[in-house]
Amino acid sequence: DAKTTQPPSMDCAEGRAANLPCNHSTISGNEYVYWYRQIHSQGPQYIIHGLKNNETNEMASLIITEDRKSSTLILPHATLRDTAVYYCIVRVAGSSNYQLIWGAGTKLIIKP
Amino acid sequence: NAGVMQNPRHLVRRRGQEARLRCSPMKGHSHVYWYRQLPEEGLKFMVYLQKENIIDESGMPKERFSAEFPKEGPSILRIQQVVRGDSAAYFCASSPLGEDEQYFGPGTRLTVT
Repeated sequence: DAKTTQPPSMDCAEGRAANLPCNHSTISGNEYVYWYRQIHSQGPQYIIHGLKNNETNEMASLIITEDRKSSTLILPHATLRDTAVYYCIVRVAGSSNYQLIWGAGTKLIIKP
Repeated sequence: NAGVMQNPRHLVRRRGQEARLRCSPMKGHSHVYWYRQLPEEGLKFMVYLQKENIIDESGMPKERFSAEFPKEGPSILRIQQVVRGDSAAYFCASSPLGEDEQYFGPGTRLTVT
């Protein structure tokens, strides 16, 4: 079973920041938080991951709370192409811990 | 650098036929993973392979399903005697040796009629 809980759906206006929450209250000290997204009828796309520090890349920012029990993925200026299902996954890093266990994700709809 | 390639993108089979799904990993990637996705659900892990070696097939049904990743050529997921319940999207992912991020292909949508 997935170790994360996410809201089933969210709306966001185009051009605004989209903030997607994820709860992972049972996360272990050596588990990372990964985010993927899946645009309709396409394969999942890796977005970002982090352990305890906030992370930023060209796609998004990841904010992890100090107790690591929750995190937020931020898309700073959402566009219509960001409409997708976003998955938050926790896993131990390293090639021996390869299974990604997927929940139902959050369906993010960007509205014009 | 080409991404993960999967073919065919769509496959229709009648009950009892065989389905063969192919996956070519990204260049330089030697780890391949297969996942299955039913409508409105997240992906479910099936099998993890390295070249000529099955590392973990714990997510794959014991009967009718098999996977291989030969020394040369793509990884193959084979489903024998397909049934309607096999209808799903099958995704392949690859990763470099020792890396964490899995890069996914576009998937093969199998429909069993």
